Amino acid sequence: TQLLEQSPQFLSIQEGENLTVYCNSSSVFSSLQWYRQEPGEGPVLLVTVVTGGEVKKLKRLTFQFGDARKDSSLHITAAQPGDTGLYLCAGAPPYGGATNKLIFGTGTLLAVQP
Amino acid sequence: DTEVTQTPKHLVMGMTNKKSLKCEQHMGHRAMYWYKQKAKKPPELMFVYSYEKLSINESVPSRFSPECPNSSLLNLHLHALQPEDSALYLCASSQGWGSGNTEAFFGQGTRLTVV
Repeated sequence: TQLLEQSPQFLSIQEGENLTVYCNSSSVFSSLQWYRQEPGEGPVLLVTVVTGGEVKKLKRLTFQFGDARKDSSLHITAAQPGDTGLYLCAGAPPYGGATNKLIFGTGTLLAVQP
Repeated sequence: DTEVTQTPKHLVMGMTNKKSLKCEQHMGHRAMYWYKQKAKKPPELMFVYSYEKLSINESVPSRFSPECPNSSLLNLHLHALQPEDSALYLCASSQGWGSGNTEAFFGQGTRLTVV
C-alpha cells in the first residue's frame, strides 16, 4: 500500500515567519502534486513536480521533488494570513503500475496569525 | 473555462430521503471522480469514471450510486444514508486516466448533513 505521510500535521505561526511542510513515502511516484484547500472550498492545484530533484517556485512558495521521487517539500517564505489552509500533497503512481489513483498525503493544516 | 461546478453547495437530508449531487465540467476532461472528505482530513476516493465508464469503485456502500450521463456530467445518487455519511463530497476531473494526466481540478464540494 502506498502511503504519503505529511509533517507537521498542524502548524500555527505568526505572519512573516517561514515554514516547511514535508511529504514522505517509501514508494516512487511518477509525479507529485501540491494542493491548498481553504475552509468550505475544494482543493486547488498549486504545482506539479515531475523530475527527481526538481525545484519549482510560485511567488513565496518553493516546491522540491526528492531525487528518488519518493518525497517532496513545500517551503513558504514570509507567510501571510492568506496562506492559511489545508495543504495536501498527492502522488501519481508510476506509469503502468497496478493502479492509477492519486495517493493523497495525510494533510498539513496551516494557520497564519496576523 | 477551468471550473468544476457542483450543486447543491449544502444539503441536509433525512435517513429515508433520496437526493442527488450534481457535477459539471466543460474542460473536455475524460476522467471524473467522486471523493468524500471529513473535516481536516484528506479526500478519500469513492468512484472514478473514465470515458463515461466506471473504472473504480472503492468498495463504496450501495446507498451511494454514481452515474455519468455524458462526458461533462457526473451525478451521485444518495439513498438511505446514515449520519456517519455526513461529510464534504467533492467532484473532480482530470484530463486523462492512466495516461499521466492526473492533475485534478476540484469543485467547491457539497456539504452533506444526514439527520
